[in-house]
Amino acid sequence: AQSVSQHNHHVILSEAASLELGCNYSYGGTVNLFWYVQYPGQHLQLLLKYFSGDPLVKGIKGFEAEFIKSKFSFNLRKPSVQWSDTAEYFCAVNARSNTGKLIFGQGTTLQVKP
Amino acid sequence: DVKVTQSSRYLVKRTGEKVFLECVQDMDHENMFWYRQDPGLGLRLIYFSYDVKMKEKGDIPEGYSVSREKKERFSLILESASTNQTSMYLCASSPPGGGYNEQFFGPGTRLTVL
Repeated sequence: AQSVSQHNHHVILSEAASLELGCNYSYGGTVNLFWYVQYPGQHLQLLLKYFSGDPLVKGIKGFEAEFIKSKFSFNLRKPSVQWSDTAEYFCAVNARSNTGKLIFGQGTTLQVKP
Repeated sequence: DVKVTQSSRYLVKRTGEKVFLECVQDMDHENMFWYRQDPGLGLRLIYFSYDVKMKEKGDIPEGYSVSREKKERFSLILESASTNQTSMYLCASSPPGGGYNEQFFGPGTRLTVL
């Protein structure tokens, strides 16, 4: 069965620190990859997505993610976090053989200290 | 702006009650989804629908059913609520095109079953 694993469940950083959140998936075929974010009290929203082409994709608010096919990974990065990045982050995978069904990871709670 | 609304933000029900959760989207999207969100488990797909009167089981359909009589509305039904169905329920919608499209989420309904 397909699965998505996020290694870090709770991350605490100080402002200006660099961020990397891990995401690995298990599926041998072609995939579409997403990172979603849920700020406190807000809807889940799309941060960035990857379908094909340049494996380094840029999203909103200075976030980027790198797809490494050989490692089945799609890690999220930000060079310098801000207090406003405090949120829960979810990695999600769509196997292109399916309909629009997404498999989500367990989520990572990021707490940024001012 | 895409808008996905859910009928209640908070709901408290008793064991054995029949519970209806309603979701409405205003963007004429073909695809609609119901997830439950639990700490440490991420989002898990309950049911989805890619057209009016069409439905497909997700990963955890047991104890739930759905109804989609109109394109804009997707209802989740708990036939006989149980305490292990206490959770946050998220509705989402997306245009057709398989997994290439972003899913747009509602604010969620936090259901407590006593």
